[in-house]
Amino acid sequence: ELKVEQNPLFLSMQEGKNYTIYCNYSTTSDRLYWYRQDPGKSLESLFVLLSNGAVKQEGRLMASLDTKARLSTLHITAAVHDLSATYFCAEWDYKLSFGAGTTVTVRA
Amino acid sequence: DTAVSQTPKYLVTQMGNDKSIKCEQNLGHDTMYWYKQDSKKFLKIMFSYNNKELIINETVPNRFSPKSPDKAHLNLHINSLELGDSAVYFCASSQGQGASSKQYFGPGTRLTVT
Repeated sequence: ELKVEQNPLFLSMQEGKNYTIYCNYSTTSDRLYWYRQDPGKSLESLFVLLSNGAVKQEGRLMASLDTKARLSTLHITAAVHDLSATYFCAEWDYKLSFGAGTTVTVRA
Repeated sequence: DTAVSQTPKYLVTQMGNDKSIKCEQNLGHDTMYWYKQDSKKFLKIMFSYNNKELIINETVPNRFSPKSPDKAHLNLHINSLELGDSAVYFCASSQGQGASSKQYFGPGTRLTVT
């Protein structure tokens, strides 16, 4: 049973358009992580969100955290092919609990 | 300079065998972890060690035994391997155990049990 729910699980993006991945979590934790995993590769840390209202941006990716709604979003601006990967969110509750991942494919 | 390294990268073995996976980190971290990622990409923590002491032991069969000879190493020994053990096992490390302690993951070991 997953405590962290991501949607969508699969996302086909068109280059140049904007998209959002949603992450709902179940605990009262106010700590949320985003990771990226390329096929057959390890996990790369993207963002660490440590408080309500936290917003972090890196390139075309922006993550935010709303602890009252228990929701984090990963917004992708003007998708490019290099962003094709699986994105995981994970909540912190004395350990990391991961969502199922969102597999992103960017098409021309 | 690999921060978190694992050996072997691939491991193919038969049911009933015993195997080990080794993990080393050169980041000077005090906390290390083992995660299992199954074929559907579900990722779940198995164990965590802080300064060689076991601090997290999730509901993992006791055929799995972690060993931390020092802060830089965390090995995973698996006895009597079963088909369901086939997965990718990731080692990770962090400085501290808290929520703000970013975890760095190793490249993974793909275990296939036939």
